[in-house]
Amino acid sequence: NAGVIQTPRHKVTGKGQEATLWCEPISGHSAVFWYRQTIVQGLEFLTYFRNQAPIDDSGMPKERFSAQMPNQSHSTLKIQSTQPQDSAVYLCASSLTGDEQYFGPGTRLTVL
Amino acid sequence: GEKVEQHESTLSVREGDSAVINCTYTDTASSYFPWYKQEAGKSLHFVIDIRSNVDRKQSQRLIVLLDKKAKRFSLHITATQPEDSAIYFCAARTNSAGNKLTFGIGTRVLVRP
Repeated sequence: NAGVIQTPRHKVTGKGQEATLWCEPISGHSAVFWYRQTIVQGLEFLTYFRNQAPIDDSGMPKERFSAQMPNQSHSTLKIQSTQPQDSAVYLCASSLTGDEQYFGPGTRLTVL
Repeated sequence: GEKVEQHESTLSVREGDSAVINCTYTDTASSYFPWYKQEAGKSLHFVIDIRSNVDRKQSQRLIVLLDKKAKRFSLHITATQPEDSAIYFCAARTNSAGNKLTFGIGTRVLVRP
């Protein structure tokens, strides 16, 4: 069991460019979560899928952020027209029951 | 929505002593309270949780206490060891929020030899 896999581990984009982050949940886990971690804001919930269906995207900035889960083995978080304030570590987590969440190593996004 | 406040930003304890981290929450409907640990350079991993139908839970050297009246919960790390040094995050979840967790800001625990 490799745990939750996130790629890339580091991404640097220029302001206005697009960034796509990938997450492969633990096999068999039906729930997938995306969070954002910054020093100032801490850990912020972004969105959540269960059985590939979007359940709650209340934490997603509406205009430039989108997330998909096209199949049970991966989810993507896309940020269009990246801004410096989007710089953060983006964490993906998966869960079998919805309780204990297993976090991936994160993708550190830096927007110049 | 739910807000979780984590009261200690840093804690320094001597090896073998206990460390206590306190969190408060705002939503009386919150019913599930997990704790996560983040070691330097690593991601979060789950350490212990408590549900609102109990007020105490222990797993080896970790004890979680829940006071629903005060909307407060705490993590007690007993007989601390150097490997307990990390950032600890408390979180809360309400049933109405599905599986969405609201996290505290984190407490950095340093265990001194």
